[in-house]
Amino acid sequence: QSALTQSAPVSGSRGQSITISCTGTNNDIGSYNYVSWYQRHPGKVPKLMIYDVNNRPSGVSDRFSGSKSGNTASLTISGLQTEDEADYYCTSYTTSGTLVFGGGTKLTVL
Amino acid sequence: EVQLVESGGGLVQPGGSLRLSCAASGFTFSSYWMHWVRQAPGKGLVWVSRLNNDGSHTTYADSVKGRFAISRDNAKNTLHLQMNSLSAEDTAVYYCVRGSESNGYRLFDSWGQGTLVTVSS
Repeated sequence: QSALTQSAPVSGSRGQSITISCTGTNNDIGSYNYVSWYQRHPGKVPKLMIYDVNNRPSGVSDRFSGSKSGNTASLTISGLQTEDEADYYCTSYTTSGTLVFGGGTKLTVL
Repeated sequence: EVQLVESGGGLVQPGGSLRLSCAASGFTFSSYWMHWVRQAPGKGLVWVSRLNNDGSHTTYADSVKGRFAISRDNAKNTLHLQMNSLSAEDTAVYYCVRGSESNGYRLFDSWGQGTLVTVSS
């Protein structure tokens, strides 16, 4: 159950778009469309932003979108806003019936 | 308002045991999957364990299997995590997390503020 591998810290200017990747294996991301993304602001609890690869919970901005290809999932944030600055974590269900997180990616909005 | 309040954290020696509790309120506790997630200092989130709504089905991360036991008391709206054979690698903030109303076994929608467990001699 190794952690999913997320891309390095990323930064972008307000209004721009960024993409964060999350790479797993055939035992997790590659086997199910059960990838989720959580946003976590410093000192706050995580918030679900994307579930099942590309679905947004009610209330989440449509600036957030997800995708998956093979063993890699991606989170794209368009029209960056100051409040998007946070850590982002991906998770996936695994063939063992467990859950696995990525190591997190810090987004800085310039 | 959903509230999850963890307790039971603290300093424990290597090889020791600790029991965490999570008091839930603001929702029908017995209807939801519940999870424990931890975060070591300076590290990312790590899923630890989950339990279905009636306590009949448990799952553990490999790193804690055989050492940790998750349980719940639906009459008292409380979730527990019994942690045995603790090592320094278990040092972390432990979060009590509610599974989402739909697919709660793999999605989270509410988190407690966490309780710190430090394993050190």
